[in-house]
Amino acid sequence: DGGITQSPKYLFRKEGQNVTLSCEQNLNHDAMYWYRQDPGQGLRLIYYSQIVNDFQKGDIAEGYSVSREKKESFPLTVTSAQKNPTAFYLCASSLGLGTGELFFGEGSRLTVL
Amino acid sequence: DAKTTQPPSMDCAEGRAANLPCNHSTISGNEYVYWYRQIHSQGPQYIIHGLKNNETNEMASLIITEDRKSSTLILPHATLRDTAVYYCIASNNAGNMLTFGGGTRLMVKP
Repeated sequence: DGGITQSPKYLFRKEGQNVTLSCEQNLNHDAMYWYRQDPGQGLRLIYYSQIVNDFQKGDIAEGYSVSREKKESFPLTVTSAQKNPTAFYLCASSLGLGTGELFFGEGSRLTVL
Repeated sequence: DAKTTQPPSMDCAEGRAANLPCNHSTISGNEYVYWYRQIHSQGPQYIIHGLKNNETNEMASLIITEDRKSSTLILPHATLRDTAVYYCIASNNAGNMLTFGGGTRLMVKP
């Protein structure tokens, strides 16, 4: 089935370590996005990408990095510079940038100890 | 994107219609109204969207006022599985990012 796959679903890391969250889609979508969600809050945009080898900062990009080497893949690295990394991370894709509906993955819950 | 305002929470009896309101008084003529829902600890799911006319699909109906300053998402026969946070978003489908506010937490009760 077509969709978006995020992994891992749960991740525990020690403070100061970089972690990379995987996001893969087989929907042939050009645009991909990363959101962060804190408990009881809405989603905040971290990074987004319109096409391969291009990406832009969202509202809360500090402490995060991304790459878009393949159309299907948009991994997110949470670096040690991110002061409050514990959160629920959601990846999404759409046909084009800001075009049409967003398709979301099931999310990755990161806990930094 | 236009800012949207939703009540933080609502209750609905199982089997009854759930009517979720959304205000978007600053919406511009080319902005669509989108609705998504998020069941606890899952990714949001697209429900429906519209521009001017009312829309219906297998999940819900969307009623947009004539002045487009507000809309209502209707779940005609709510079930316990409809308990979720519902987000209303305005977007012009032209490269603007969708901004998810706090949404409405709908609790469907037996």
